[in-house]
Amino acid sequence: KNQVEQSPQSLIILEGKNCTLQCNYTVSPFSNLRWYKQDTGRGPVSLTIMTFSENTKSNGRYTATLDADTKQSSLHITASQLSDSASYICVVSENSGNTPLVFGKGTRLSVIA
Amino acid sequence: DSGVTQTPKHLITATGQRVTLRCSPRSGDLSVYWYQQSLDQGLQFLIQYYNGEERAKGNILERFSAQQFPDLHSELNLSSLELGDSALYFCASSPDGKYGYTFGSGTRLTVV
Repeated sequence: KNQVEQSPQSLIILEGKNCTLQCNYTVSPFSNLRWYKQDTGRGPVSLTIMTFSENTKSNGRYTATLDADTKQSSLHITASQLSDSASYICVVSENSGNTPLVFGKGTRLSVIA
Repeated sequence: DSGVTQTPKHLITATGQRVTLRCSPRSGDLSVYWYQQSLDQGLQFLIQYYNGEERAKGNILERFSAQQFPDLHSELNLSSLELGDSALYFCASSPDGKYGYTFGSGTRLTVV
């Protein structure tokens, strides 16, 4: 069964600190992996998308990595800001690309002053 | 504004009732997806349409149905509503069903 597991479930960090969120998946065959940021009560917003041939992709203070061999991805947030408080969702698509995305349950990040 | 428009933003209704949620995809996007997100849960895929035809089906209850119209907007119909149907319902669209998914801001449904 295609699954996406994220850890930790929740995380609290001080403003200005860095953090790394993890994503493991069993989706096969793999097409692409996306990280989304979802503010409470809002729709998810795309941060990065990577295909199997990409190892890393950055979007400002967000850097995603992908190891397609071990089926692991991470999202690193640098110099966190209060506005980074949100759920971060890892989403994996099967190779056909036409099948639905498989969503992780997300990591709830709280950045405090 | 993501370009994906969902209406209404909020909806409160009683058990046993029927409601219709509407989604207008981004201009040029042919594919529409519906997702349900219950409190503190991940997004659950319900159904996908591509250019008016059903493309894929997820964990959609028989009480729920959807369709995509010729102008590509989509409606999700929820009937015989139960308390457990209270959730955020998101619509997403993409040009070809492969890349560039864009989510709407959701409809919050509360069943009382």
